[in-house]
Amino acid sequence: DIVMTQSPDSLAVSLGERATINCKSSQSVLYSSNNRNYLGWYQQKPGQPPKLLIYWASTRESGVPDRFSGSGSGTDFTLTISSLQAEDVAVYYCQQYYSTPYSFGQGTKLEIK
Amino acid sequence: EVQLVESGGGLVQPGGSLKLSCAASGFTFSGSPIHWVRQASGRGLEWVGLIRSKPNNYATAYAASVKGRFTISRDDSKNTAYLQVNSLKTEDTALYYCTTRATVPMGLDFWGQGTLVSVSS
Repeated sequence: DIVMTQSPDSLAVSLGERATINCKSSQSVLYSSNNRNYLGWYQQKPGQPPKLLIYWASTRESGVPDRFSGSGSGTDFTLTISSLQAEDVAVYYCQQYYSTPYSFGQGTKLEIK
Repeated sequence: EVQLVESGGGLVQPGGSLKLSCAASGFTFSGSPIHWVRQASGRGLEWVGLIRSKPNNYATAYAASVKGRFTISRDDSKNTAYLQVNSLKTEDTALYYCTTRATVPMGLDFWGQGTLVSVSS
């Protein structure tokens, strides 16, 4: 099974500053046949279900602000929020869907400094 | 509008069973995989399992923690998926979400609000 590890567990960033969350998979989630990374990022606010932000490691879901971006390939991935807004306070999760079980990272709690 | 509505949760004793339902609307249910994801209070997301569509032979897959105790099924005529949970343990206490991929090629873009399962004596 693939283990997803996020870092840090929590993060405090000033409004308008950059936030960076890392996700590492225990094995590659890159399918060589289509050159796609089977990695997604989700945002979860208190009392709400998760919301898909990014899929294919770097493709923004429709309606997601362009301050959110995803990067990386193989086993190392990053979610970047270029200019933190108050509404971005949430827990962020990565998930691999390369092979079942489709595991999530443990989550990164993002707060305002 | 895509909607997923879970039901069937409740308080059950250890060793007990429940059948959770996920009623779907607003998308082509028969062509979409349905996943179940759970979240214990104050904890992270745990992928529970999925059932694929008919063209994919309704194949299922499960997390190791629930394999042999949980069973996912679907009735495409009713646009409903099910999660049968047996031999419940206290550590199965969580909010259970059903979720699907409706408009994106990969990932889970629609989620229900969840149904709460509490396992306690």
